[in-house]
Amino acid sequence: ELKVEQNPLFLSMQEGKNYTIYCNYSTTSDRLYWYRQDPGKSLESLFVLLSNGAVKQEGRLMASLDTKARLSTLHITAAVHDLSATYFCAVDPYSGGGADGLTFGKGTHLIIQP
Amino acid sequence: EAGVAQSPRYKIIEKRQSVAFWCNPISGHATLYWYQQILGQGPKLLIQFQNNGVVDDSQLPKDRFSAERLKGVDSTLKIQPAKLEDSAVYLCASSPTGRYKVGRVTEAFFGQGTRLTVV
Repeated sequence: ELKVEQNPLFLSMQEGKNYTIYCNYSTTSDRLYWYRQDPGKSLESLFVLLSNGAVKQEGRLMASLDTKARLSTLHITAAVHDLSATYFCAVDPYSGGGADGLTFGKGTHLIIQP
Repeated sequence: EAGVAQSPRYKIIEKRQSVAFWCNPISGHATLYWYQQILGQGPKLLIQFQNNGVVDDSQLPKDRFSAERLKGVDSTLKIQPAKLEDSAVYLCASSPTGRYKVGRVTEAFFGQGTRLTVV
């Protein structure tokens, strides 16, 4: 059974600081997704990482994927309050037969304080 | 482009009652997913449809949950009878094609969800 673990699960940080969220997964996959969820809202796709060494950046967020280590990171640079949300990583486990539903981590609840 | 539509947004029922949720995917999207998101956890896949056929329902509690996608467009998810532990947000998502073909990857777009409270 595929397991996806995120850490930390809760993060409170100050504006202007840098921090990294880690996502470890237990089986071979080279398809990893990062989503953002605001309270009471649905999931917003942030990044799709499709190969070992993939790096994508959007604004103050940068995501990377190391398939050999089964690790993805989401790095926040010079955090601003608007980035406060819950961030999920999700893995496409290649279960075959056309099944491609994602397995999600528990999420990292990020609060950025002025 | 209109997003994934779900209704109702909120539902409160008593245990042992039945409930149904409705999802209208993005027009033209062949693949539809239902996820269950319990408070404080990530979404968990319940069922995946490709057009009107079931691709994966391995995590669907079939003794009480059922889902259908008639005509390969709208879908309904039903719970009968509901239990307290079914309290969660039920998310519907759709994507243009199945993503299993090598080299073809598409994203899934999520609806706002239906928040179910079982009392």
